[in-house]
Amino acid sequence: DAKTTQPNSMESNEEEPVHLPCNHSTISGTDYIHWYRQLPSQGPEYVIHGLTSNVNNRMASLAIAEDRKSSTLILHRATLRDAAVYYCILNWGAQKLVFGQGTRLTINP
Amino acid sequence: DGGITQSPKYLFRKEGQNVTLSCEQNLNHDAMYWYRQDPGQGLRLIYYSQIVNDFQKGDIAEGYSVSREKKESFPLTVTSAQKNPTAFYLCASSIAGRWFFGPGTRLTVL
Repeated sequence: DAKTTQPNSMESNEEEPVHLPCNHSTISGTDYIHWYRQLPSQGPEYVIHGLTSNVNNRMASLAIAEDRKSSTLILHRATLRDAAVYYCILNWGAQKLVFGQGTRLTINP
Repeated sequence: DGGITQSPKYLFRKEGQNVTLSCEQNLNHDAMYWYRQDPGQGLRLIYYSQIVNDFQKGDIAEGYSVSREKKESFPLTVTSAQKNPTAFYLCASSIAGRWFFGPGTRLTVL
């Protein structure tokens, strides 16, 4: 499974944008980039995913580098409810998601 | 509402006992999964099933067993052979590249 690298933790302030980076230098041409987040004592929830082009949805935006070796999850205006562990995962439609350690995001009021 | 339900939310077990964790989904998804999460760690795959009556071992299957007799149900049995069963267990299903997770069961072995 292709590996991703994320910072262990990040901190931001409420109502400010947050940029969560992910490196995936061994990504293959068919790997999709997925982002999930997990609030304390809950199951992970889907945030966004993409292949090559930047993607937007109501939760976040995903910016993918032109060489696809890195990507950034953008929360445009963080709230306290966005405090969670964010996982960047590569998957090509295979049978399993492989989770790394993720980035623990803290939001300061 | 469509989704995944897991029961119970908290489960206590004496050492040496088998215990079965329930997972039900009404999303009509073929694929289902069981993950284990230890404190401060990411999720690790225990078993997965792509279709009824078929399942495969994940990365940490030892000491666990599953069945998939119905599309909507994928129970996980934690056997006495599992050396360190205390953990948070998550069930998931997937379709078209998206995964949906249940709320989890926290198992504690006393």
